[in-house]
Amino acid sequence: KAGVTQTPRYLIKTRGQQVTLSCSPISGHRSVSWYQQTPGQGLQFLFEYFSETQRNKGNFPGRFSGRQFSNSRSEMNVSTLELGDSALYLCASRSQGSNYGYTFGSGTRLTVV
Amino acid sequence: AQSVTQLDSQVPVFEEAPVELRCNYSSSVSVYLFWYVQYPNQGLQLLLKYLSGSTLVKGINGFEAEFNKSQTSFHLRKPSVHISDTAEYFCAVSESDDYKLSFGAGTTVTVRA
Repeated sequence: KAGVTQTPRYLIKTRGQQVTLSCSPISGHRSVSWYQQTPGQGLQFLFEYFSETQRNKGNFPGRFSGRQFSNSRSEMNVSTLELGDSALYLCASRSQGSNYGYTFGSGTRLTVV
Repeated sequence: AQSVTQLDSQVPVFEEAPVELRCNYSSSVSVYLFWYVQYPNQGLQLLLKYLSGSTLVKGINGFEAEFNKSQTSFHLRKPSVHISDTAEYFCAVSESDDYKLSFGAGTTVTVRA
């Protein structure tokens, strides 16, 4: 079974630009969640999607948004980038039932200059 | 809302010595508990999880953890570490129907020869 695929692995953007990150979950998984990891704030939950619906959202400004497509692939978008948005963005694919758990991708390293 | 406290930010240990990483959580409902490992510039890899049943959970690479409901703890142990265990370790909790993980701040384990 293929794992969670995140693209791109690395990005460098300029303040004020916008960026879109992509995540393909494990085949058959319908839940995708996003996390931001920074040295200062650690791992923080951004949002979770299940069957194209956002079910939970973390405490982030409206510049951070996401969506999920009918094939369960998800994208997150950050508009009007700030230096503080520099982080590792991780996507997780969730399995249900007796094998409940979260599998993470390798992440996208975003640097805002 | 749940919170997770990892009691040690850094743990130095000699090769072949045992190691214990401490994790406490707070939650008013039943939870699922996880330990993840992160190597530099990589995503999170699941070491083990507690969903229900036996409170002693065995994971990959010789790690195990014990769930203690009365003390709201989920400490991770390994009887004999290797140089390759040098990494950052994260404890995480998920409440049922919450659709997200809350992470501790992480514990950096450095194994020395």
